Amino acid sequence: GDSVTQMEGPVTLSEEAFLTINCTYTATGYPSLFWYVQYPGEGLQLLLKATKADDKGSNKGFEATYRKETTSFHLEKGSVQVSDSAVYFCALSIIQGAQKLVFGQGTRLTINP
Amino acid sequence: DTAVSQTPKYLVTQMGNDKSIKCEQNLGHDTMYWYKQDSKKFLKIMFSYNNKELIINETVPNRFSPKSPDKAHLNLHINSLELGDSAVYFCASSQDRVGTEAFFGQGTRLTVV
Repeated sequence: GDSVTQMEGPVTLSEEAFLTINCTYTATGYPSLFWYVQYPGEGLQLLLKATKADDKGSNKGFEATYRKETTSFHLEKGSVQVSDSAVYFCALSIIQGAQKLVFGQGTRLTINP
Repeated sequence: DTAVSQTPKYLVTQMGNDKSIKCEQNLGHDTMYWYKQDSKKFLKIMFSYNNKELIINETVPNRFSPKSPDKAHLNLHINSLELGDSAVYFCASSQDRVGTEAFFGQGTRLTVV
């Protein structure tokens, strides 16, 4: 079935460090791919997305490229800030009657000053 | 104006009780969802409705019954609550096209004691 696997957390970095959170997916067809972020006590909000192979999504300094050949959508940021501390979810979107989002297990990121 | 609002935000109840969580979206979306987030932050889809019609039911116990009186509302009723039902429940909505953003409510933290 369709699934998303992302790197195990928690991840702890110092401010201004480089961030990579790995995400790979299994899907029939051509899903759209997303990164969502969840700040403490809040719901999920979209961080970035890519709808076809080789597309790059970017927002707030974060980037991810849809790699069909490696079925990956790794999240990167060149210099993280304390305010980036949150839980990050990789997800894919397929049509199963209606749009269905399948999420990875989430990666908790903590940035220390 | 909150795009997706769900009530209550917190719900503490005893085993065996029946409770409801309400969700409303003012985005004009056709598709609404319920997700369950467990203590390890894993997000799993429970139901999806499209224009008031049940589309996805992901092997959820039949103690859980969603109700969609109109396409802007999707309520979740839970009968005979069990300890294992304790989780955060998120309502979300999206347009009915793959690759479109899902908007999430702030979540309802259900604690069964």
